Amino acid sequence: SSELTQDPPVSVALGQTVRITCQGDSLRNYYATWYQQKPGQAPVVVISGKNDRPSGIPDRFSGSTSGDTASLTISGAQAEDEADYYCNSRDSTGNPSVVFGGGTKLTVL
Amino acid sequence: QVQLQESGPGLVKPSGTLSLTCAVSGGSIGNSHWWSWVRQSPGKGLEWIGEVHHSGRTNYNPSLKSRVTISVDESKNQFSLKLKSVTAADTAWYYCTRGDIVPIVFFNSYAMDVWGRGTTVIVSS
Repeated sequence: SSELTQDPPVSVALGQTVRITCQGDSLRNYYATWYQQKPGQAPVVVISGKNDRPSGIPDRFSGSTSGDTASLTISGAQAEDEADYYCNSRDSTGNPSVVFGGGTKLTVL
Repeated sequence: QVQLQESGPGLVKPSGTLSLTCAVSGGSIGNSHWWSWVRQSPGKGLEWIGEVHHSGRTNYNPSLKSRVTISVDESKNQFSLKLKSVTAADTAWYYCTRGDIVPIVFFNSYAMDVWGRGTTVIVSS
C-alpha cells in the first residue's frame, strides 16, 4: 500500500510562517487532509479538499498540493498551534485503504 | 451533530481478542460514510486499522488484515472492531471515526471529519 512521508519535528518563532509537507503517490489522486492533534485529544481536521477549512479553524491555516507533495502552511503561528500534525489520504491502487503520514511535531518558540 | 463513542474492555490478555464498539448518535450510520477504526500507540503516530460502509463493505490495513474484523449493526446504529491474537504491540488508544470521500473535479478528497474521544486498550496478563 501507499505511504505518506512527513517532515521531522519543526519549530517556528511566534508570529512567523511555517510550512509542513507530506509526500506520497496517493496524493496524485487524493488531496491530503491535515489533522491537528494536541496532547490528550483526538485529532481534528484543519484542512481538507483543495484548501478548505472547517468552521472554527483560523484562516492562518492553508493547504496546497503540487504533484505528489501536499503542504500545510501556518501564516503567523500562534502558541496554540503547537501540536502534532498528520496528513492523510486514501490509496485507490489495488485494495482501497487509508494512509496517514508519520506526523510532524510543531513547536512554537 | 454526529457524535461517536467508543466502548469496550480496557484490558485484554495476550493472545486474546480485542473487541470495541462505536456508538453513533446524532445521525444515522446508514448514510453513505466510511466508518473507521484508528489507533495510536503510546508516543506514536496514527495508524488506520480498517473501515466499514453501512452496506457491509470493508477495507483493512494490509498489515492487520489477517487479525481484524470490522462490522456494522444498523439496527443499533453502531459499528464494531475485533482484533484477534493480540500482543503488547496492540496496546494503544483506539479511535472510531467517520470518513467521507468527496470527488473534486479530477481529484478526490477524503477526510475523517468526526472522531470519538478514544478509548485506551492495554494488552497485559
